[in-house]
Amino acid sequence: QQPVQSPQAVILREGEDAVINCSSSKALYSVHWYRQKHGEAPVFLMILLKGGEQKGHEKISASFNEKKQQSSLYLTASQLSYSGTYFCGTEDNQGGKLIFGQGTELSVKP
Amino acid sequence: GAVVSQHPSRVICKSGTSVKIECRSLDFQATTMFWYRQFPKKSLMLMATSNEGSKATYEQGVEKDKFLINHASLTLSTLTVTSAHPEDSSFYICSALYRDPNEKLFFGSGTQLSVL
Repeated sequence: QQPVQSPQAVILREGEDAVINCSSSKALYSVHWYRQKHGEAPVFLMILLKGGEQKGHEKISASFNEKKQQSSLYLTASQLSYSGTYFCGTEDNQGGKLIFGQGTELSVKP
Repeated sequence: GAVVSQHPSRVICKSGTSVKIECRSLDFQATTMFWYRQFPKKSLMLMATSNEGSKATYEQGVEKDKFLINHASLTLSTLTVTSAHPEDSSFYICSALYRDPNEKLFFGSGTQLSVL
């Protein structure tokens, strides 16, 4: 079953922060986050495997609440290059079969 | 980092013809690959799981006779869209599962298929 992302779209000014949420109705083994620019393949951001795990990548970090079956992606001090569509992908067991959320379109304006 | 190569990046074909898309893992062996389809401004929809040396596993609603998947080696999976029609026009993306030491998926660059 497809995870649900929120919000569907967000517009930011450069330097502002944003949070993107991903919720599943099923117990999860892992959550993956990707960013996709128009016409390009998704680019891997990070994977979260354990409950409560938080990972960071420059000014982009994420958390995974296994109990709530939710993950959140945090973008701080956003840059123009952060613009794109963000997808969470969830696995309910190990094996790489990802089901993606519907995406969150992020636009960062100067 | 691990690289997945997908070819062609763009193909235009006439209705009724078949199109083959290749997905190669360049610097690792991938016993499992996945094929996704994406419509404009939509999410990536999993079509099938490609397993080296065995039959692909198709998701519900995906016609296996329409979308033939072959995973004949540890580094190559192919998707053939048979008797393509305009409604098959889409962005097709493969991914390969990298297992060592931790599991990670790497995506190909995608193939934009346009059927006239």
